[in-house]
Amino acid sequence: DAEITQSPRHKITETGRQVTLACHQTWNHNNMFWYRQDLGHGLRLIHYSYGVHDTNKGEVSDGYSVSRSNTEDLPLTLESAASSQTSVYFCASSTNRLAWEQFFGPGTRLTVL
Amino acid sequence: RKEVEQDPGPFNVPEGATVAFNCTYSNSASQSFFWYRQDCRKEPKLLMSVYSSGNEDGRFTAQLNRASQYISLLIRDSKLSDSATYLCVSRSNDYKLSFGAGTTVTVRA
Repeated sequence: DAEITQSPRHKITETGRQVTLACHQTWNHNNMFWYRQDLGHGLRLIHYSYGVHDTNKGEVSDGYSVSRSNTEDLPLTLESAASSQTSVYFCASSTNRLAWEQFFGPGTRLTVL
Repeated sequence: RKEVEQDPGPFNVPEGATVAFNCTYSNSASQSFFWYRQDCRKEPKLLMSVYSSGNEDGRFTAQLNRASQYISLLIRDSKLSDSATYLCVSRSNDYKLSFGAGTTVTVRA
């Protein structure tokens, strides 16, 4: 069955370290998104991609980067982790034709100490 | 100002009750709207789309009021399994979605 996976599911790191969160989807979807979810803020868009080699900044992109070298993967990198980046991170994907239905991965809980 | 605002609740209702809640949106150019459901510590999933004429999906009824810029969700005959956070979502003219912070509903036995 097609799916979207995230790894790791839980991560504890220290301030200043570089961290990469993986997202992999097997639906062959063009569109991929990274969100963070914090209490009281809901889902906030970090970065998104509409296809290979396409990346765009979302509303909270500072301190994060992404690259899209193939259809299946959109890794999210925290260049120098900060305590303010402690959050739950969700990856999602969608097709152009049914863009309103985003399929989400199970999430990664990141703690920055 | 957030693009989509929701009353966080929680709405605590007994089984069998009807519960309704709204969300408001600020971007009049938003083209379409949806409700997503998120169970505790799980990923969000699409619940239903929202049409101007109103639409039903079983016990769930969604309504859009463009003049007042709000969307509503009504759940009839609440079940314990309806306990979740309901996310109001808007979409403009590209593939991005804007999510509200969610309304929490707890159905008690």
